[in-house]
Amino acid sequence: EVQLVESGGGLVQPGGSLRLSCAASGFTFSNSDMHWVRQATGKGLEWVSAIGTAGDTYYLGSGKGRFTISRENAKNSLFLQMNSLRADDTAVYYCVRAGGSWELQEWGQGTLVTVSS
Amino acid sequence: QSVLTQPPSASGTPGQRVTISCSGSNSNIGSNYVYWYQHLPGTAPKLLIYRNNQRPSGVPGRFSGSKSGTSASLAISGLRSEDEADYYCAAWDDSLSDYFFGTGTKVTVL
Repeated sequence: EVQLVESGGGLVQPGGSLRLSCAASGFTFSNSDMHWVRQATGKGLEWVSAIGTAGDTYYLGSGKGRFTISRENAKNSLFLQMNSLRADDTAVYYCVRAGGSWELQEWGQGTLVTVSS
Repeated sequence: QSVLTQPPSASGTPGQRVTISCSGSNSNIGSNYVYWYQHLPGTAPKLLIYRNNQRPSGVPGRFSGSKSGTSASLAISGLRSEDEADYYCAAWDDSLSDYFFGTGTKVTVL
């Protein structure tokens, strides 16, 4: 059974940093493209970032330069380093496993990030 | 902010057919695959349709997807109470180099 467990969310002040982690199991992590997707309260889903099996990275425009996605295949782990956080980054962040054509197949339960003073 | 536009709501009675539209442009729907996701509040979203019209194993045949030009549609036939959820289309946009979700459609079963 595929499991994706996010951690690292919490309350952070504007301008601060946070590192999200995702522990993956039940599939060959190194063979899967991985994504982060977020949802602010009362808003729709928003794609944040992706990393391919070769380490190629992709970012939503608003996150470029502030967010860094990375992976550690030996530990079946995905990360999202978020810097210069803003109030509009407040959301539940989901770790997602993608299929070969970037269909977002399996989702974690999410971790809440709150940016507030 | 999204480049993919959906109607905010749709509804039907049990057993009816409901269709949700997703309007985009040549740089997204017109040139890339469309995906559909179902999201019940408080749960993880679920993939319903990939590559425009393919259903993952386990997704009932009541759900079907189609694409024509710069628009796509999700149809739910034989509507059931458990289908009450938010539905999102999604596609990559070549011009913006971003993956976009649609604005979302809330389906209500009357």
